[in-house]
Order: sequence, then structure tokens, then C-alpha cells
Amino acid sequence: GESVGLHLPTLSVQEGDNSIINCAYSNSASDYFIWYKQESGKGPQFIIDIRSNMDKRQGQRVTVLLNKTVKHLSLQIAATQPGDSAVYFCAETPTGANSKLTFGKGITLSVRP
Amino acid sequence: GAGVSQSPSNKVTEKGKDVELRCDPISGHTALYWYRQSLGQGLEFLIYFQGNSAPDKSGLPSDRFSAERTGGSVSTLTIQRTQQEDSAVYLCASSFRRDTKQFFGPGTRLTVL
Repeated sequence: GESVGLHLPTLSVQEGDNSIINCAYSNSASDYFIWYKQESGKGPQFIIDIRSNMDKRQGQRVTVLLNKTVKHLSLQIAATQPGDSAVYFCAETPTGANSKLTFGKGITLSVRP
Repeated sequence: GAGVSQSPSNKVTEKGKDVELRCDPISGHTALYWYRQSLGQGLEFLIYFQGNSAPDKSGLPSDRFSAERTGGSVSTLTIQRTQQEDSAVYLCASSFRRDTKQFFGPGTRLTVL
């Protein structure tokens, strides 16, 4: 079936370094992608989104890259901070449908001081 | 402005009892979603409401699960005859319209003993 998956379950980075979190998706009809951050005991927090007519979008310290050819999505976090420690989820949906999101299992980002 | 709110934050119940979980979406958001997050897992879509349209119930795991949205605002997710496998965090999200970013509430942690 269709799925969204993450390549690595955990990622440990040094404070100040850049982080790259990768995600693969399998639904070729997906055209809207979102990254969420979830801290312990909280609901997912929107980070950044991108539509399929773009291949790159930048926010504050974050960049999302989309490669539709290989169905790959990545989240780059510049100058990673301790507050970035959380579980990160990629999610996707085909916007022609009801926009229910399909989520990956999540990757834990741990920032070393 | 106020975000998505959910109540209760925690619910402990005995197997076989019914539970009701409440979601207050962001004012003005026409789309409302329920998701379930089991321990260490990604988010699983349950049900989607859009305006006055019939809800998309395709993600409900069994007929013990139902949801309603009154007046296009508050939603209640009801689980009848709860089972231990229903234990999870139930998350509600809303969006301005169906193909825009979804904002999540803090979730309700349900524990079925």
C-alpha cells in the first residue's frame, strides 16, 4: 500500500551543526508535503510545507527539499539548537482528495550540547 | 489566537466502558481531522469533516468508533466498549480549508485498563 517512510529512526547531532532529516514517500499522486515537529507530551507542531510545483522552500533556519523524481523529501535545520530536539514527522497528501495526511513513523533528533 | 484545544488531556477507563473525546478547532477553520497515535508510531488518520459535507470515515478502525461535528465547530470522538488496543493518543487537527496546513491540538491520552 501507499506509505511514507523515514530512512533513519534516530539522528544525533552536535549543537551548532546542520541537521538533515530524510523521508521517502511512495504515493506518486501526493502533491502536498508537510514536516511536523513533536515534543514529548505535545501535539505535532507545523514546521514547513511544500507543494509539488516547487523543489525547495525556506523558512527560518529550516529548508525543505522535494525531489519528485525519486519521491524524496528532506528537512534541513541550520545551526541546530537543543530546542530542536524532538521527533520529526514527514506527511503527505494528494490535494485532490480529502487531504487526510499520511505520516511516517517519525525520527528522533537528539542535539548534543 | 487560540489554537486547537482538546479535552480531557488524559483519560483512564476500564475495558468495556464508553469514552468521549472533545476537540475545539481554530475558529474559522472548516476542515477538522481526527488522528490516532499509538506508542512509538506515526499518526493514523481516523475521520475528516469538511464544512457541511458528509464526513470521510474511511480511517475508523471499527464500528465502535464514531464522531460528530456540531455546528461546523466542536467535534466529539466516541469510542464504545473500549478495548485495551484502543489505548493511544488521540489527536485533533483543523485547517482553514481541506488543502492547507493542519494545526494540531495537544491530544488526549487514552488508557484502557
